[in-house]
Amino acid sequence: GEDVEQSLFLSVREGDSSVINCTYTDSSSTYLYWYKQEPGAGLQLLTYIFSNMDMKQDQRLTVLLNKKDKHLSLRIADTQTGDSAIYFCAEKDGTGFQKLVFGTGTRLLVSP
Amino acid sequence: NAGVTQTPKFQVLKTGQSMTLQCAQDMNHEYMSWYRQDPGMGLRLIHYSVGAGITDQGEVPNGYNVSRSTTEDFPLRLLSAAPSQTSVYFCASGQGASNSPLHFGNGTRLTVT
Repeated sequence: GEDVEQSLFLSVREGDSSVINCTYTDSSSTYLYWYKQEPGAGLQLLTYIFSNMDMKQDQRLTVLLNKKDKHLSLRIADTQTGDSAIYFCAEKDGTGFQKLVFGTGTRLLVSP
Repeated sequence: NAGVTQTPKFQVLKTGQSMTLQCAQDMNHEYMSWYRQDPGMGLRLIHYSVGAGITDQGEVPNGYNVSRSTTEDFPLRLLSAAPSQTSVYFCASGQGASNSPLHFGNGTRLTVT
């Protein structure tokens, strides 16, 4: 089945850029997503990218997709303490609907 | 607009007990799903539904039952709880389109002793 992998932890200083990486195995993935989870809450969609794109920018967020290597990254510019959270990469499986396969999540800690 | 509402927020069960985790959405979403979140394992799909009367299994369905009698509600039943079911459970709903978000509830933290 599909597998999505992420590193578990990233620590940065406020004002630096953060880069969270993700690898996936399903070559038929059409959409890839980044979700954010704050403590005690559910997940919220940050951004997504369609598989025929290699980059998408949305304010401080930049998503890069290398489809050949099945590698996805999320760059957060000017990281703030409020960005501290768990970030999940997810792919939509090939069977349709909104069945998403999530990665293990990367805990981002931003220190002042 | 309440979005996705999960109850209860916390629950402690003894091994062998049964219970139902409730999930309701008020966005008229066709798609609903249940995930469990465990440390170091991300979210894993338990069951999902693409409309009233239609359910299917996800990655980890054993020990759980679901039904979808209305568009709004998608309860998750544990028939005989086991310690391995200690987890945080999330319900999510969506319009069904790939470029639209899944909306998550705030989770139910379940402990089975």
